[in-house]
Amino acid sequence: SQQGEEDPQALSIQEGENATMNCSYKTSINNLQWYRQNSGRGLVHLILIRSNEREKHSGRLRVTLDTSKKSSSLLITASRAADTASYFCATDAPNSGYALNFGKGTSLLVTP
Amino acid sequence: ETGVTQSPTHLIKTRGQQVTLRCSSQSGHNTVSWYQQALGQGPQFIFQYYREEENGRGNFPPRFSGLQFPNYSSELNVNALELDDSALYLCASSRDMVFTDTQYFGPGTRLTVL
Repeated sequence: SQQGEEDPQALSIQEGENATMNCSYKTSINNLQWYRQNSGRGLVHLILIRSNEREKHSGRLRVTLDTSKKSSSLLITASRAADTASYFCATDAPNSGYALNFGKGTSLLVTP
Repeated sequence: ETGVTQSPTHLIKTRGQQVTLRCSSQSGHNTVSWYQQALGQGPQFIFQYYREEENGRGNFPPRFSGLQFPNYSSELNVNALELDDSALYLCASSRDMVFTDTQYFGPGTRLTVL
């Protein structure tokens, strides 16, 4: 079973616009990570936020974490066509060592 | 480029057969994890190896097994293939056995079971 669930499932925007995707999870976590996947290939690590952090920035990415609501959001500002990809949140998986527990992902399409 | 390679890129097998997928991690990365990603789904954790010992396992049957070698390569073996095993198989390596350590993913092997 998957711990996280991203919303929306799919998002289509134009270049220059901001993209926001959300992730909800079920059990307590220590950390949450966001990954990007292009065309069903390998995943690329974007950002990690710890449970005692509320917001983190990396370039055009902004991640927030609300542990009371068990949710996180990823904001991509000034989107580019190259941002077209699937985005996944991943949490530490209970009772599975140091494995990542992924949601189903948000598919982002950025059109020129 | 993450420095993690996987082979083969694509593979077609028949139900009931056995398959071995290979992963080559970055030098110095002692942890390797394997994930199964069905179409339209997020990756599902299969198992993890640390210094050649299995360190954790997800909800997968024993016909999924693995090996990790001292030269930072590893294998995923699947016996008695079923149609539902069709998926993208991803390996990920990290320096150590810590969740906050960045995991570097390979490009994956696309397995189709007919």
